Parts: sequence; structure tokens; C-alpha cells
Amino acid sequence: DGGITQSPKYLFRKEGQNVTLSCEQNLNHDAMYWYRQDPGQGLRLIYYSQIVNDFQKGDIAEGYSVSREKKESFPLTVTSAQKNPTAFYLCASKIGHINQPQHFGDGTRLSIL
Amino acid sequence: EDQVTQSPEALRLQEGESSSLNCSYTVSGLRGLFWYRQDPGKGPEFLFTLYSAGEEKEKERLKATLTKKESFLHITAPKPEDSATYLCAVQANSNSGYALNFGKGTSLLVTP
Repeated sequence: DGGITQSPKYLFRKEGQNVTLSCEQNLNHDAMYWYRQDPGQGLRLIYYSQIVNDFQKGDIAEGYSVSREKKESFPLTVTSAQKNPTAFYLCASKIGHINQPQHFGDGTRLSIL
Repeated sequence: EDQVTQSPEALRLQEGESSSLNCSYTVSGLRGLFWYRQDPGKGPEFLFTLYSAGEEKEKERLKATLTKKESFLHITAPKPEDSATYLCAVQANSNSGYALNFGKGTSLLVTP
């Protein structure tokens, strides 16, 4: 089945630790996105990538980093510089055409130990 | 600044009681408006895309409509399985990379 796989489903971070969230898609989509979802707030864009080896900062990129070495993969690293990392993280992808919707994975919930 | 506002924040309906959810937007050039459904602990599931005022889309008990300032998601004779959070998002000319601006969502509970 084609889709977007995020792992792990739950992740715990210790103080001062970097953690990496995985996002893999087999839809042959060009663009990939990372959003953060907090209770009572809309999804906020962290980073996005439209092609391999290129990515752009979103509205809340501070404390996060990404890479796009393969079309299928867009991992997100939450660094120790992100002081409030507890949230639900969602990865999405879309075909490059302007009028196509984004499709989402089932998220990773990150908590602080 | 682009804004997307959804109302109400929460809605409780009895099974069979039809209603509408609202999404009002202020953007500099609308490219598309998207409706998603999100179940607890899951990612958003795509429902509809609307591109121009007057457009309507339907799927089972759901019907989405679009004007120049807002969109409505009409739910006809809802069932308990329609309980979820419904998200509205817009893609505007100012959104680089075809990113979306999301509203905060409407949490719908349908009771038997």
C-alpha cells in the first residue's frame, strides 16, 4: 500500500538530547513537509522540501533541522536548542503540482522525560 | 497577514441532527482551500479541495462549499462515526512551497 510512514509513534527526549523523527513515503511525491501540532493550535510549518537536497525553513524552524538525501525520506531532528519540544509532529507529502492536496502520516508524539 | 478561523471550536450533535462548520479566511490570493478530518492520535485525512467561489464538493454525508470569504462543511444526518476534528487549510499566493495555513479545527461529537 502506498502511504507515508512516521516512526516511532511515541518518543521521549532527555534534557540536552537530540532526537530524530523518521518520515518515509512511497507515493513518489516531490514535496515533503513537517508540521507541529499543539493542543488548541493549528498545525504550524517547521520545514519543507520541494526537491532532493533542498529544503526551506517554515514559520517555526528554530531548534529543528532536516535533511533530504532521498526523495522518499525527510527526517526531522529536534535539537537541544528547542526548549519546548513536547508536541505531536506530522509529516506530509504532495505531488509537485500546485493544486494537489498534502497527504499526512500518522504522527509522532514527542515528550520530555 | 493570512488568517484562517474555524468556528465553532466544538460542536455536539445528536445522531441525525444536521449542521454546518465554518471556515473563514483572509488571504492574499487563494490558490485552494482544503478540508481534512483528524481522528485522535492520527494524522489528518484529506476530504476535499475547493478552488473558486461557488464550487461545491460532496462525499457521503459531507458537503463542502466555498465563497470569497469562507467555506462551510455541511454534515447531513451525522452518525457517531463522523465524530472527529475537522481541519480547514488554505494555500495562498504568499505560501512558498505550496505550504498550507491551518485553522485550529472544529471538534465534532455525534451522540447516538
